[in-house]
Amino acid sequence: NAGVTQTPKFQVLKTGQSMTLQCAQDMNHNSMYWYRQDPGMGLRLIYYSASEGTTDKGEVPNGYNVSRLNKREFSLRLESAAPSQTSVYFCASSYTLVAEAFFGQGTRLTVV
Amino acid sequence: GQQLNQSPQSMFIQEGEDVSMNCTSSSIFNTWLWYKQDPGEGPVLLIALYKAGELTSNGRLTAQFGITRKDSFLNISASIPSDVGIYFCAGSPDNYGQNFVFGPGTRLSVLP
Repeated sequence: NAGVTQTPKFQVLKTGQSMTLQCAQDMNHNSMYWYRQDPGMGLRLIYYSASEGTTDKGEVPNGYNVSRLNKREFSLRLESAAPSQTSVYFCASSYTLVAEAFFGQGTRLTVV
Repeated sequence: GQQLNQSPQSMFIQEGEDVSMNCTSSSIFNTWLWYKQDPGEGPVLLIALYKAGELTSNGRLTAQFGITRKDSFLNISASIPSDVGIYFCAGSPDNYGQNFVFGPGTRLSVLP
């Protein structure tokens, strides 16, 4: 059972570079999320997709864009990476917005 | 925005001891979730609570949905070394909420 799969697991970027973090779930969930985790700050929501075809901003959306490619896949794009975006990024999915979410293993991103 | 507080921030206990931690909010939440995160991994759901006053167990873990709807508690009985990790609470502010808010976490260390 794969659950939520994120790629890559690790990435180092130079300031100003762009990249896309990929996420796929095989649980037939309707809702998907992108969080970032910084030391001592818990998980903060960047963007979410309540259902296929919709996306909405979360708590910290600046500097990011997302695409809900289909029901399974939800990608996060950094157009011009900044050192402040150094963090661990988690993708999650849930059956509905108010159902419990299941997380991927994370992408550790460093921007130098 | 909504904020959750968790206490204690960290704790060191002896193997075999019981553990209690809590999560509080200044506003009413209708769903509470408890997650555990191991180092280098994504959070894993432990217990979900959907009703005020609800008491739910999962093995040695017991969680309660506070009667005021502004808090939740997690107890771990007879701790073992693999209980080490960060415990996060998450709350949904209403039944039709857009997403869950996460607390900053309680870091648990178990001494042999």
